[in-house]
Amino acid sequence: DVKVTQSSRYLVKRTGEKVFLECVQDMDHENMFWYRQDPGLGLRLIYFSYDVKMKEKGDIPEGYSVSREKKERFSLILESASTNQTSMYLCASSFYRVEPQHFGDGTRLSIL
Amino acid sequence: QKEVEQNSGPLSVPEGAIASLNCTYSDRGSQSFFWYRQYSGKSPELIMFIYSNGDKEDGRFTAQLNKASQYVSLLIRDSQPSDSATYLCAVTKAGANSKLTFGKGITLSVRP
Repeated sequence: DVKVTQSSRYLVKRTGEKVFLECVQDMDHENMFWYRQDPGLGLRLIYFSYDVKMKEKGDIPEGYSVSREKKERFSLILESASTNQTSMYLCASSFYRVEPQHFGDGTRLSIL
Repeated sequence: QKEVEQNSGPLSVPEGAIASLNCTYSDRGSQSFFWYRQYSGKSPELIMFIYSNGDKEDGRFTAQLNKASQYVSLLIRDSQPSDSATYLCAVTKAGANSKLTFGKGITLSVRP
């Protein structure tokens, strides 16, 4: 089975902090994705990556950046955390672009 | 027009009934279609995918795709209380940089 591991289940940070969310997959998947999920807004794509050191903006990239230095690891960075970034963050991966994506357990991030 | 649209719900059915969940999409060139189940506080879990017109059955679940009418549906036969969850429809758009677009989900409640 595919295993997508997110570093934290719950995280509390303060406004203005730089926040790192880590995601690791163990299936040699080419594609990795970061989403946020908010009530009433559904899942929204923040950034995705189709290869090492490659990244593309999703639908809501503002305030975020990403890093993919190794194939198995995809990091989401909140450059200067703000309260409107309080959300559930979900990482996903897939081998081919049109293949089903497999999700990690999510990180519930609270910015105070 | 929303890219992927699901009836807002919630949908409530008695135990043992058939639950019918519907999804429409706007991009006629969409290629792949997925249904995810998400329990409260958990991450989405893939339950069905379909690529071709027609029906695809897996146990109590049947996915139906009609590309001419641009809809995909999920039927759950013999619904169980454990099926109570939010169901997310997801579609990949055509093109080199295809990505998954999610509907907002519909909450299903199965009454014992």
